[in-house]
Amino acid sequence: DTEVTQTPKHLVMGMTNKKSLKCEQHMGHRAMYWYKQKAKKPPELMFVYSYEKLSINESVPSRFSPECPNSSLLNLHLHALQPEDSALYLCASSQEVGTAFSNQPQHFGDGTRLSIL
Amino acid sequence: DAKTTQPTSMDCAEGRAANLPCNHSTISGNEYVYWYRQIHSQGPQYIIHGLKNNETNEMASLIITEDRKSSTLILPHATLRDTAVYYCIVRVDWIYNQGGKLIFGQGTELSVKP
Repeated sequence: DTEVTQTPKHLVMGMTNKKSLKCEQHMGHRAMYWYKQKAKKPPELMFVYSYEKLSINESVPSRFSPECPNSSLLNLHLHALQPEDSALYLCASSQEVGTAFSNQPQHFGDGTRLSIL
Repeated sequence: DAKTTQPTSMDCAEGRAANLPCNHSTISGNEYVYWYRQIHSQGPQYIIHGLKNNETNEMASLIITEDRKSSTLILPHATLRDTAVYYCIVRVDWIYNQGGKLIFGQGTELSVKP
């Protein structure tokens, strides 16, 4: 069982729809992450939040909009996605992000499998 | 860019030790080596990490060479449930408090066979 919970597990949406992915953790972690994973490929980092503030955006298109309402929740708002955005979207968290705690592992959820029609 | 290289696939007999190698010849002195695995349809699962010394936990052992240019993950008694893709990762740090980046390589697909 994972301590990072992602909902929904599966999502099918059209290119004109607006939807949101949700991630929740109750481990007291202050860093949270979004990753994208295409089939047969390793995960790729999209965003990093540290203390509810966006600290890293890996040049992700604006049709993906992250939000961190509080230290336990992370959302990814989706709008006008393209078929190539179909992928597994993974959320992760870690205690901290700073160098002093760089040996803290990231804990992943099981992801949301997104299909764009 | 991934800083690790791993074999694409490996087989292991059930009950035997699985030894998964990883090369990280450009690792810096303060960079940790992490191992994760991903079972089909699940998120990556943290296994173990280390800096210089060998490490052991309830899941596996990590052996790091003295020059830190390579490491080996050992699953002492592999079971069918250990079939997964195993990622060896060298963490890349940004500016302090800006985030730590796990750059996944292609990983090793381990098949444990009866």
